[in-house]
Amino acid sequence: AQSVTQLGSHVSVSEGALVLLRCNYSSSVPPYLFWYVQYPNQGLQLLLKYTTGATLVKGINGFEAEFKKSETSFHLTKPSAHMSDAAEYFCAVSEDSGGYQKVTFGTGTKLQVIP
Amino acid sequence: DTGVSQNPRHKITKRGQNVTFRCDPISEHNRLYWYRQTLGQGPEFLTYFQNEAQLEKSRLLSDRFSAERPKGSFSTLEIQRTEQGDSAMYLCASSFVMSRDYGYTFGSGTRLTVV
Repeated sequence: AQSVTQLGSHVSVSEGALVLLRCNYSSSVPPYLFWYVQYPNQGLQLLLKYTTGATLVKGINGFEAEFKKSETSFHLTKPSAHMSDAAEYFCAVSEDSGGYQKVTFGTGTKLQVIP
Repeated sequence: DTGVSQNPRHKITKRGQNVTFRCDPISEHNRLYWYRQTLGQGPEFLTYFQNEAQLEKSRLLSDRFSAERPKGSFSTLEIQRTEQGDSAMYLCASSFVMSRDYGYTFGSGTRLTVV
């Protein structure tokens, strides 16, 4: 069964500092990996995804993530935090389940950006 | 097409009442998913439709829950005899089976509060 572990339910960074949100996954087959962002009282918005190919994936709003198979990790980074990045971030993994991609989410990391 | 639409955005109901939520997916998307998100948790899978067929249901979906997708377009999720534990954000997502973009498109959710 697939699963996702997000290390740190809350992360605080200063504006302009590096953002690093950690995600480790478990999957029995080559996974598809995602990062979603959720603003208060909103649905989830896809930031970026890894399916196949290049292991460094660039997404929206300056975020990127690197798939490291040997470490079963898919950490999310952004070189310089902006106040608008304050939100909750969810890592997710999907694998084929009876013909469709079943997505399993982590428990989320709330990012606080300090002015 | 403006994305996945969910109505209502908020619903407050008394324990024991029935509630129904609606989801309108992106028109060309033939797959539709319902997820439930409780406070401090990531979204949890409830059920999934391909066109009008409900192909998988989570064990989270008790007998009090029923979902339909008549004609393979919009979907409804009904909860009968609501309980306080049903209080959560109910998220709908859709995707296109032939797309190589494996990310879901989420709606903004319906927040249910059972008092």
